[in-house]
Parts: sequence; C-alpha cells; structure tokens
Amino acid sequence: AQSVTQLGSHVSVSEGALVLLRCNYSSSVPPYLFWYVQYPNQGLQLLLKYTSAATLVKGINGFEAEFKKSETSFHLTKPSAHMSDAAEYFCAVSATGGGNKLTFGTGTQLKVEL
Amino acid sequence: DAEITQSPRHKITETGRQVTLACHQTWNHNNMFWYRQDLGHGLRLIHYSYGVQDTNKGEVSDGYSVSRSNTEDLPLTLESAASSQTSVYFCASSESGGATDTQYFGPGTRLTVL
Repeated sequence: AQSVTQLGSHVSVSEGALVLLRCNYSSSVPPYLFWYVQYPNQGLQLLLKYTSAATLVKGINGFEAEFKKSETSFHLTKPSAHMSDAAEYFCAVSATGGGNKLTFGTGTQLKVEL
Repeated sequence: DAEITQSPRHKITETGRQVTLACHQTWNHNNMFWYRQDLGHGLRLIHYSYGVQDTNKGEVSDGYSVSRSNTEDLPLTLESAASSQTSVYFCASSESGGATDTQYFGPGTRLTVL
C-alpha cells in the first residue's frame, strides 16, 4: 500500500520568501504523485503531478516540485510567496496498477505574512 | 462550462436519520469518488465508481453507500447518521481509470450530525 507523509501541519512564511512544503512517500511500486491546493471554503484543485516523464515538475501559480527517488520525496516549492498563496496544500499518491485512487497526506496550512 | 456540483452545501441532521448527499458532473467522466475531510486526517476515500453500475468500497466505507445509475451522478447515502460522520464531504471525478489521471473536485458539503 502507498502512503504520503507531510511534515509540518502549519508553515508560515513572509511575503516574497521561499515556500517549501514537504512530502515523503512510501510505495512498493513506482508512484505517481500529486499536489493539490484548497482555498478556504472551496474544493481541491490540482497544482501539479509527477507522472515519471520528468523529475522536475512545474505547475500553476509558479509552483514546482522535484521527485527524488533516493529520498522518497516530492517537496513543493515556490521562489517567492504571495499573499494569495495562503491555503491548505495536500500531497497525494496513486500507484501503478492501483487505478485512479488517491491516498492523501494530512495537509499543510500555508500562512503568508506581510 | 463543464463542472461538478454538490448539494446541499450545508446540512444539519440528527443521529439515526438517513441522509443523501448529491454529486453531479457534466464532464461525462467515467470515474467518480467520494472523500471525507477531517482535521488531522486529510482526505479519506469513502467509495468510488469506475462507471455505471460499478461501485467500490474505499478506506472508510462503513455506514455509507453509493449507487451509480448514470454517468453524471453518484449520490452518497448515510444509512443511519452518526456523530462520527460529521465532516466535510467532497465529490470528485476523472476521465479515465489511469493512475496519472487528474481528479476534479466539487465545492464540498459540510454535514453536521447532532
């Protein structure tokens, strides 16, 4: 079975600072990894996904993530935080042969301060 | 524009009552999913369907049921609501059953069981 662990349930950064949200995965088969964002009182929307085509994945709103097999990680980064980035971020995994089912992490709430 | 809608957006009910949450998508997607979101748990899969007349149990299916009579709808029924089912419920859909397919989420239903 696959799983993901998100380190840090709350992260606070200053506007303009680097955003780093951590995600580590556990999977016995090659994983596919996703980052979703949830703005207050809304559903989730896809930021980016790793499908094994390239280890560095670029997503919407200036976010990117790098798949590192040696570290079993898929951390999300953004060079410069904006106030509008304040939201909850979820890492998720699906597995080869596992259909389209997603297993989500517990989420990281990102706060952006002036 | 194609979309996925959920109704009601908010629901308060009493312990022991039967409750049905609606999910409707206009993308003509084969796959539909129900998740619940709770603090500290992220999103957990309740039931999913890969097509009409197909339904499958997810991680936390006890006390819930679904049926898929057409492509557009996957209603979620709580047979006898319990306080432990107080949660935010999200419906999602995806085009195919591939492990890399993006899931599109509805806006959520906040259910309170008193």
